[in-house]
Amino acid sequence: RKEVEQDPGPFNVPEGATVAFNCTYSNSASQSFFWYRQDCRKEPKLLMSVYSSGNEDGRFTAQLNRASQYISLLIRDSKLSDSATYLCVVSLTGTASKLTFGTGTRLQVTL
Amino acid sequence: DAGITQSPRHKVTETGTPVTLRCHQTENHRYMYWYRQDPGHGLRLIHYSYGVKDTDKGEVSDGYSVSRSKTEDFLLTLESATSSQTSVYFCAISAREGLAGPSTYEQYFGPGTRLTVT
Repeated sequence: RKEVEQDPGPFNVPEGATVAFNCTYSNSASQSFFWYRQDCRKEPKLLMSVYSSGNEDGRFTAQLNRASQYISLLIRDSKLSDSATYLCVVSLTGTASKLTFGTGTRLQVTL
Repeated sequence: DAGITQSPRHKVTETGTPVTLRCHQTENHRYMYWYRQDPGHGLRLIHYSYGVKDTDKGEVSDGYSVSRSKTEDFLLTLESATSSQTSVYFCAISAREGLAGPSTYEQYFGPGTRLTVT
């Protein structure tokens, strides 16, 4: 079983739609959680950290469910510019920032 | 912009040749990392550094060595390149550091190096 699992997609949604991605992780001791965005042939960029209470940044909402060991990302009012691959990332504290990356979920927003 | 550059950005080399990739940062971060990214795999950690001359192995370190003689530069060397090392290589820095070491938050990545070993 992979440490971090994501549906690879692609998710094809029209502009303005709401779309949600889930990610599951296997290590219950994981402490830190993130969503990164990666455009084609570019480097990953931090989208947002995920906090236990859930957090929102504009059109993006992240949720953490420790009991079920999953993380979600909700994107409202999708824009064409949201088209990218979204990487779920998990870390154990005290391990020199060792991040474990999912393989990503591809989102394609269309007109 | 975390001030990270990588060189070269693209390289094609032959099996058996040595290759060195360079990561350069301008903001004096203590922790630096090398990852590789391949289809079907998430980014995987090769080596990381927690200071000048202080390095440690990551998940996929076989066939790679690193050096850090200056805070700003972290070099990744493939001593004898193999076709299985064809990949995209990303350098990263950890942007926040707590008293006990790097925060697990906010790693920022360089633009990547596309390496093809023929």
